[in-house]
Amino acid sequence: DAGVTQSPTHLIKTRGQQVTLRCSPKSGHDTVSWYQQALGQGPQFIFQYYEEEERQRGNFPDRFSGHQFPNYSSELNVNALLLGDSALYLCASSLEQGITDTQYFGPGTRLTVL
Amino acid sequence: GENVEQHPSTLSVQEGDSAVIKCTYSDSASNYFPWYKQELGKRPQLIIDIRSNVGEKKDQRIAVTLNKTAKHFSLHITETQPEDSAVYFCAARRVSSYKLIFGSGTRLLVRP
Repeated sequence: DAGVTQSPTHLIKTRGQQVTLRCSPKSGHDTVSWYQQALGQGPQFIFQYYEEEERQRGNFPDRFSGHQFPNYSSELNVNALLLGDSALYLCASSLEQGITDTQYFGPGTRLTVL
Repeated sequence: GENVEQHPSTLSVQEGDSAVIKCTYSDSASNYFPWYKQELGKRPQLIIDIRSNVGEKKDQRIAVTLNKTAKHFSLHITETQPEDSAVYFCAARRVSSYKLIFGSGTRLLVRP
């Protein structure tokens, strides 16, 4: 049973560039959430995708956008990168119609903005 | 607004002792409270969760208690082992919301 996978593992970008991060949910899951985890802090909710649509968003600017594909995988896009965007980006998957809607996390993508 | 406070930020215990981590939430509509363990460089892993219709839940050496009136919940680890050393995060989610609000984490060190 495949768990949540993310790519790439690490990424280095410069200010002003754009980045795309990818997530494949746990087998059987249909919902993907994205979180940003700054060093030494708890994860912060960016948004959640279900049925290929963003259905809830946290306090992040429009520079953060996403997409969900028919196979439930998802992408997180960040435009006009700032130094403060350096963080671990985690995706979590869950099953909308399951007994529980527990969120299972992937290993994350470490983004460094120089 | 939505907020989860977690204490202590660091906790050092002797192997075999118990460890307790406490969280307080601000949104009285919160009804789901998971705990995650994150080892250095690894993904957060769910270790236990509790819903608001239950006051306590146990899983082997781990237990979580919930006090809805006081709006706080706690993680209890008994007979701690060195492999319990990690950062622990509590989280809360309100009814009709999909986002988890995380605490700031507790770094637990279990000394052999």
